[in-house]
Amino acid sequence: GAGVSQSPSNKVTEKGKDVELRCDPISGHTALYWYRQSLGQGLEFLIYFQGNSAPDKSGLPSDRFSAERTGGSVSTLTIQRTQQEDSAVYLCASSFSGTSGVGQYFGPGTRLLVL
Amino acid sequence: AQTVTQSQPEMSVQEAETVTLSCTYDTSESDYYLFWYKQPPSRQMILVIRQEAYKQQNATENRFSVNFQKAAKSFSLKISDSQLGDAAMYFCALSGGYQKVTFGIGTKLQVIP
Repeated sequence: GAGVSQSPSNKVTEKGKDVELRCDPISGHTALYWYRQSLGQGLEFLIYFQGNSAPDKSGLPSDRFSAERTGGSVSTLTIQRTQQEDSAVYLCASSFSGTSGVGQYFGPGTRLLVL
Repeated sequence: AQTVTQSQPEMSVQEAETVTLSCTYDTSESDYYLFWYKQPPSRQMILVIRQEAYKQQNATENRFSVNFQKAAKSFSLKISDSQLGDAAMYFCALSGGYQKVTFGIGTKLQVIP
């Protein structure tokens, strides 16, 4: 595709519900990243995929957060039993290779609001 | 651990003037990369410029250039001939020996017509 896409663009949910956020990276990009951006904050690293494997899950805030990537392409970030502090913008990014210096291409993000 | 510090929460510049955004960092890696990203109100994060730490020459992309001071661990962004479309949040970022990228908290740039 032309760029990284994310869906939904906005999600409102009730506390305690599960949500799934989707990321479609640029075709051919092997590396995929998830970040969380809270109001007035920088980007908080959540998880990184190289292909379908996740060598670095250190940023996941709790065991309520999980992510998977299938076919080296689409990734899904799942938040179980959502809490109000999970409200944030969730950004996905992809890059061409496993080299850390190539820079990342970001999607438009999913704005999650937990009531 | 790697850290990125942006000490200017907000900056403003007159249209057509020049502005410099500051960034300092810390890393134990000898080989790393530095980036500036722009996030306009539309929320889409865009890569502005990147610098490889082993290169002494400062990176330049059109009106955007950096002042990379490796010994001081400083990486500032200069925007020349500022335009209204430059108004955005600017994030400094560091990528070390592996894939984790650390971002600063951002500087909000206002461009005054």
